[in-house]
Amino acid sequence: GAGVSQSPSNKVTEKGKDVELRCDPISGHTALYWYRQRLGQGLEFLIYFQGNSAPDKSGLPSDRFSAERTGESVSTLTIQRTQQEDSAVYLCASTPQLSSETQYFGPGTRLLVL
Amino acid sequence: EDQVTQSPEALRLQEGESSSLNCSYTVSGLRGLFWYRQDPGKGPEFLFTLYSAGEEKEKERLKATLTKKESFLHITAPKPEDSATYLCAVQALVGAQKLVFGQGTRLTINP
Repeated sequence: GAGVSQSPSNKVTEKGKDVELRCDPISGHTALYWYRQRLGQGLEFLIYFQGNSAPDKSGLPSDRFSAERTGESVSTLTIQRTQQEDSAVYLCASTPQLSSETQYFGPGTRLLVL
Repeated sequence: EDQVTQSPEALRLQEGESSSLNCSYTVSGLRGLFWYRQDPGKGPEFLFTLYSAGEEKEKERLKATLTKKESFLHITAPKPEDSATYLCAVQALVGAQKLVFGQGTRLTINP
């Protein structure tokens, strides 16, 4: 079956504009995660969705960042009023069931803020 | 605060030259330690999960081991296609199921 997919694969925007990044998890996966990877760095946790529970937003760096997920399907990460320091690769991951820890990653969206 | 440190940052080997990558960690109760491989321009690809000290797992030329403070990824007789960045991450028993990642080791295997 298909893996985690993300769109767009690349996004160039101007400082101050809003952007939306999309993640389609593997079908049937209940948990979904967003991470950010700055150039040459490891991944930083942003937000976690599990079924209908309230999301864990503890990793969001500022109130300009928000995310939504409808049920166990698509998620959207929104960055408002983008800044140059938001330039990074944004990665989405999903896990197949509540007790499973293995996270399967998508290819990422490369965001460049000019 | 949970923390992961990987060393070295970069490693160049000749084809067939075995070596090890290190992942040191501090975590408030370990649920699991994960190794991923990441190729340029792609998302991380899952390799192994280790759960308790003394555990070992193998896949082709790779073997991962775990102690209470660190994990090693041993690579035996590597080939150029093993060139990638190797990421280590930990997941704590308590709290969010997030992974805490190290900064990775960039491995280059020269033919």
